[in-house]
Amino acid sequence: AQSVTQLDSHVSVSEGTPVLLRCNYSSSYSPSLFWYVQHPNKGLQLLLKYTSAATLVKGINGFEAEFKKSETSFHLTKPSAHMSDAAEYFCVVTNTGGFKTIFGAGTRLFVKA
Amino acid sequence: DADVTQTPRNRITKTGKRIMLECSQTKGHDRMYWYRQDPGLGLRLIYYSFDVKDINKGEISDGYSVSRQAQAKFSLSLESAIPNQTALYFCATSDFGTANTGELFFGEGSRLTVL
Repeated sequence: AQSVTQLDSHVSVSEGTPVLLRCNYSSSYSPSLFWYVQHPNKGLQLLLKYTSAATLVKGINGFEAEFKKSETSFHLTKPSAHMSDAAEYFCVVTNTGGFKTIFGAGTRLFVKA
Repeated sequence: DADVTQTPRNRITKTGKRIMLECSQTKGHDRMYWYRQDPGLGLRLIYYSFDVKDINKGEISDGYSVSRQAQAKFSLSLESAIPNQTALYFCATSDFGTANTGELFFGEGSRLTVL
């Protein structure tokens, strides 16, 4: 069985400070992992994905995530937050072939000026 | 123009009414999906279709039906809407190549309110 847990429902940071959004997963087989971002009144956009290649994955807008199998984690980070990063972020796990996709509950990121 | 287009973007209706949400895509993908988003619950799969002749129930299909009219079109119907179907609905697509990694491409959502 697969599951994904986003450990924080809300995260608040100041502009220019680092961002850390935490995600733990469980999967009985080698998963693919994703982070999507959703800005207000918009659909979900892919930030980055891990598909069993390099464990450190770089995405758009300066975000990156590291796959840690021993910790079953896939945390999303960014060195310096920008006001435009304020959005909701979803961690997603799926099995090979994409037949079973599970979304985390989401983490809303607030960025203070 | 968006690759995945949903109509209507917003709809308010009354309990018991029939509602159809439509989705069309220009990505040429075979696989299409309908998800429902509720605050604090992430996205949950309602129905999915891997090609025109293939329709599958997702985890929360009760109260919903779908039609895959063509490769590019996938509609979601609520035969008799009820208030707990108030939610944000997303259509998504994938193709075999990206589906092997699970990547989805989303429309901008249809916000449905059932009074």
